[in-house]
Amino acid sequence: DVVMTQSPLSLPVTLGQPASISCRSSQSLVYSDGNTFLNWFHQRPGQSPRRLIYTVSNRDSGVPDRFSGSGSGTDFTLKISRVEAEDVGVYYCMQGTHWPFTFGQGTRLEIK
Amino acid sequence: EMQVVESGGGLVQPGGSLRLSCAASGFSFSDFWMYWVRQAPGKGLVWVSRINTDGTTTSYADSVKGRFTISRDNAKNTLYLQMNSLRADDTAVYYCTRGVDLWGRGTLVTVSS
Repeated sequence: DVVMTQSPLSLPVTLGQPASISCRSSQSLVYSDGNTFLNWFHQRPGQSPRRLIYTVSNRDSGVPDRFSGSGSGTDFTLKISRVEAEDVGVYYCMQGTHWPFTFGQGTRLEIK
Repeated sequence: EMQVVESGGGLVQPGGSLRLSCAASGFSFSDFWMYWVRQAPGKGLVWVSRINTDGTTTSYADSVKGRFTISRDNAKNTLYLQMNSLRADDTAVYYCTRGVDLWGRGTLVTVSS
């Protein structure tokens, strides 16, 4: 199985400041069709995960533009330009290139 | 509104069985691969199983292979997960997903004596 490794696992951030989460995969996530199926999810306590970013850098509908994704191959990053209170929760990267799909361990973002 | 709604969770004894259902609405169910994902209490997310559009291709995580069976009824817009020989480590919230972009609220399965 592809192992997804996130860092940091805990991320205290001051409101209005930027935040960045790294995600590395144990093998390339480039699919045979050239797409890279790397997604980012956000999960608030007691809620189901919500996808924020798909195929590395595409924001889902309704996702604020302060969220951005980048990367290629095996190294990926989620950035939040200015953290707001509603951004607290756990962020997961997830690869959808190789079955079984796999998630990272999760990064818990909290407000300082 | 597009949504998927899980049901069928509950408390079951080790070795017992349970069938989860997922009712889909607001989209063309038969056009999409469907998945089950689970999350143990306080833990991360794990893909459990998937099924193709017409139900002829299925895949499972090693941890559930031989015990769980995924199926679908496109006429009823419903996805199922038959869970047999349940173990304590199957305790989790089980989410139904359309691809990776549409998730239900989940249904809690607790395996305990």
